[in-house]
Amino acid sequence: QQQVKQSPQSLIVQKGGISIINCAYENTAFDYFPWYQQFPGKGPALLIAIRPDVSEKKEGRFTISFNKSAKQFSLHIMDSQPGDSATYFCAARASGNQFYFGTGTSLTVIP
Amino acid sequence: DSGVTQTPKHLITATGQRVTLRCSPRSGDLSVYWYQQSLDQGLQFLIQYYNGEERAKGNILERFSAQQFPDLHSELNLSSLELGDSALYFCASSPTRQVSEQYFGPGTRLTVT
Repeated sequence: QQQVKQSPQSLIVQKGGISIINCAYENTAFDYFPWYQQFPGKGPALLIAIRPDVSEKKEGRFTISFNKSAKQFSLHIMDSQPGDSATYFCAARASGNQFYFGTGTSLTVIP
Repeated sequence: DSGVTQTPKHLITATGQRVTLRCSPRSGDLSVYWYQQSLDQGLQFLIQYYNGEERAKGNILERFSAQQFPDLHSELNLSSLELGDSALYFCASSPTRQVSEQYFGPGTRLTVT
């Protein structure tokens, strides 16, 4: 059973556009929600993270929107660039110190 | 470069065999995490060690085991390998017992033939 559901599986965006990736969860005990970026041949790297007492967090062109009541959170990439082309994973931390990851979104930004 | 190193980078072996994957965490990090990444399952947490002791366990098979040594490097042992064990295995480290920011290594690609 997938604890964190991520969509879409793949996404193609024009350069300068907005990329939006969504995640949903069921476990209300999750207390930390990071997003990771992974380039081919590399390990995932932390991009941005949010805690459930905050509805939005912005770092540069990357924003997390968090909807606690809907149990959903999303990553918005503004002014998407070809260098943003990568696989993005959402995740959620359980109280037992275990991370549950979404299945990933392959983002392609077309010049 | 995250500062986490993993060896080997690639490993090809036959079914039924046993392999050992090695991870060196970032300098000063006490926690090590192991993950399996396969195409159909995504990233799956296997196990965490903190300062030499097992801290959390995820979907780790009984055929798999891990340990963290006094110098804080960790090894993941996979035995009686099956075709379905073919995957990328990542190690991550963090400075504290409770994970927030994890730093992932480059991974070991295991192919079981």
